[in-house]
Parts: sequence; C-alpha cells; structure tokens
Amino acid sequence: DAGVTQSPTHLIKTRGQHVTLRCSPISGHKSVSWYQQVLGQGPQFIFQYYEKEERGRGNFPDRFSARQFPNYSSELNVNALLLGDSALYLCASHTGNANTGELFFGEGSRLTVL
Amino acid sequence: DAKTTQPNSMESNEEEPVHLPCNHSTISGTDYIHWYRQLPSQGPEYVIHGLTSNVNNRMASLAIAEDRKSSTLILHRATLRDAAVYYCILREDAGGTSYGKLTFGQGTILTVHP
Repeated sequence: DAGVTQSPTHLIKTRGQHVTLRCSPISGHKSVSWYQQVLGQGPQFIFQYYEKEERGRGNFPDRFSARQFPNYSSELNVNALLLGDSALYLCASHTGNANTGELFFGEGSRLTVL
Repeated sequence: DAKTTQPNSMESNEEEPVHLPCNHSTISGTDYIHWYRQLPSQGPEYVIHGLTSNVNNRMASLAIAEDRKSSTLILHRATLRDAAVYYCILREDAGGTSYGKLTFGQGTILTVHP
C-alpha cells in the first residue's frame, strides 16, 4: 500500500513568490496535518484538516493557508515567500479516530527560498 | 503545551540495549506520551505511545514512571538503522476525530556504533 505521498519533493522559489505543496494521505485516512521543519529543529505544527474542515491551526501567519479536497488530499499554500520559509514541509495522515496513536508522515517537500 | 526534556545526544553500540530518557514534569492526566523518530532525509516515524502503563511493540518498549513525570524509550538491541533523532512528545487527548497537534522539541540524536 502506498504511504503518504507529497509533491514536489524539492523546489526553489524566490522571495515574494507563491508556492503550492500537495499531499495524498494513506488510502482510507480522512485527516491530514501539515508541519514545517526548519533545518536543525523539530517539526512545527501548521494545520490539521478532517473531512475538509480545519481542526487546528498553529502559530503561523495568514500567508499560510491550506485546504482538503473530497478525496482527502490536501494542499498547503504559502504566499509572499520569505527567506525564513525555507524548510522541509511535512504532511501527515491519520485515520480520524483519535484513539489511534499513530500519525503517518510523508518524506516532505524541501522548499528553498532565494 | 506541556513540555518534554530530553538529552541532546546519546551513543550506543550495535546490538546493545538503549534507554532514552524523557522528563515531562508538567504532564496532565489526559496527555498521551508519544515517541517518534526521524531518520536522515525522512519524515518522522511513529515508534510507540502510552498513557499510564508500560507498553511493548515490535519496535521498542515504553516504560512510564508511576507519577508519569518521566518515561524511558527502550530499544532492546540497537542496530545501525536505529540511528536517528528521537522525539518524546505529549499529545493531549482531544477525543473524537481530532488527533490534535504534536509539539516536537529538539529530540535526542542517537548514534549507534558498529
């Protein structure tokens, strides 16, 4: 079975540009979360979605937005890119049953902002 | 968010047991203790989680102190593939369909020597 898939795996943008990152959760999983991991630090929570509804938002500016589609895939959008947005963006999927302990992470999209 | 404290780094020899400690003195009664690990160039990977009782799975064991203010992840026989950053995380039981967020710290860098 396919795990969590993310695209693109690597991309380079310049300051002020916009980026869209995509995530396909594990088949049957209804919840998707997004995390940002800056080099040398642990991942930081950005968003969680379940059944197309936002269920949580981390401490990130409004330049960051996301959505979840009827097929449970998700997009993370970042506008007006700053150098500090350079990071590994991780998507994680979950069944939607909070009693299940495991989040499944993808390998991430590495964004470099020049 | 309740915080965890872990050593920055630990070393082990291959095929020896490894005990990774974590302090979480501000843990609340509804917080689950989760461990994830992150191998180089990969997304985090679930290892184990527990609430009050010790837990075992195919990857590791989790020993939880009686007062729940500390826990220890035990790798019974370390392999080179276990070299990773290990994160100890407290997750609040949000209930229902909301997994909630994981608040990652700096983690413990585990080095395994052949």
